[in-house]
Formats: sequence, C-alpha cells, structure tokens
Amino acid sequence: EAGVAQSPRYKIIEKRQSVAFWCNPISGHATLYWYQQILGQGPKLLIQFQNNGVVDDSQLPKDRFSAERLKGVDSTLKIQPAKLEDSAVYLCASSLRGLSGNEQFFGPGTRLTVL
Amino acid sequence: GQQVMQIPQYQHVQEGEDFTTYCNSSTTLSNIQWYKQRPGGHPVFLIQLVKSGEVKKQKRLTFQFGEAKKNSSLHITATQTTDVGTYFCAAGNTPLVFGKGTRLSVIA
Repeated sequence: EAGVAQSPRYKIIEKRQSVAFWCNPISGHATLYWYQQILGQGPKLLIQFQNNGVVDDSQLPKDRFSAERLKGVDSTLKIQPAKLEDSAVYLCASSLRGLSGNEQFFGPGTRLTVL
Repeated sequence: GQQVMQIPQYQHVQEGEDFTTYCNSSTTLSNIQWYKQRPGGHPVFLIQLVKSGEVKKQKRLTFQFGEAKKNSSLHITATQTTDVGTYFCAAGNTPLVFGKGTRLSVIA
C-alpha cells in the first residue's frame, strides 16, 4: 500500500514570497490533515478535511494560509505571503474516517525555510 | 483548548537501560495515541489506548492509560539504539493535539 505522498520535500523562499505544498493521501482515506511542526515541538494541526469539506481550521492563520481539497483526494496548502516564523516542516496526514482515535498516517513532510 | 504535557523533554540513557515518558492532561481524555518520530523522519503511529487503566505491550514497549484517563505513560525496557527518536503522545479528541514530545538518545 502506497503511503502519503508530499512534494516538494524542501523549499527555500524569501519572506513575503508565496509557496504551495501538495499532498496525496492514502487511497480510500476520507480524512486529510495538514500539520505544522516547528523544530523541537509536536505537530500542530492547521486544517482537517473530511472528503472535500473542512472539519477544523481553527488554528489556520487565514490571513496568509489557505488550503483546498477540491475533489476529496489530493490537497494543496498555500502560504502567501510567507513570514520568517513560517519556517517549519509541513506534514500531511490521512486517516480512514477521521473519527476520534483513528490512526493517522503521515507523509514525509515539506521542510520550508523562509529567509 | 486541549493540552497535553509531556515529561521529560529529553532523556539520555545507556543502551540496555529502561526509559519512561509521561503524558498528562488536566481534562479527561477519550483516548490517547502514541507516535514515534525518528530524527529527520515523520511521526509513526505506535498505539492507541481507550479504556481506563488500560495496559498494552508491544515487545519491549509498555503503554498505560491512567484510571482517571488524564495521564498515560510509555515505558521501554532495555533500550536499543533503534529506539532513538522523539516519542509523542496525542490526545484523541478531535482535533488530535500533540504533546511536545520526549527526545530519547541511546548511548551504545
């Protein structure tokens, strides 16, 4: 079974530039998550999709971050414009149903450096 | 919002020694999950605990969920170099909230 795919793996940009990340979840997984992991901390949920609908985006900085999952499969996360404090690893995860307690499968992440 | 506190933040052990990390919450949890993240890697699911007082074992790893469902622990017996990484607990309410993790170093 193929895992969660993410691209790019690494990205370096200057502040105020834009960047987009892509995620393809495990086939059949209805729920998709985007996390931000700052060095030395645990992953922080940015947004959770159930199929193509948003379940939780309470911690998404909506003035600069946006995400979509148009066909209920793959997803993109965009930052526009980027700030220095956005430097982090962006992890995509998926789970079968997204119910409380469902195991989440993480992708390899995209390491973003904002200069 | 939901928070889980993990201690210790770091742990350095000699290979063969035991290791324990603790996860605490001020509120009752519906369930708790544990993940392991190797250096440079991504979190990998280890286990989920649901019942009060539950104990689960995976080879050298023992997971416990407190009677009040407010705390949990992960114990590794006789650590090996392959155990190196950061261990996260995550509160199972939606959304899943991760602790800051315990980074384990094993000295051969």
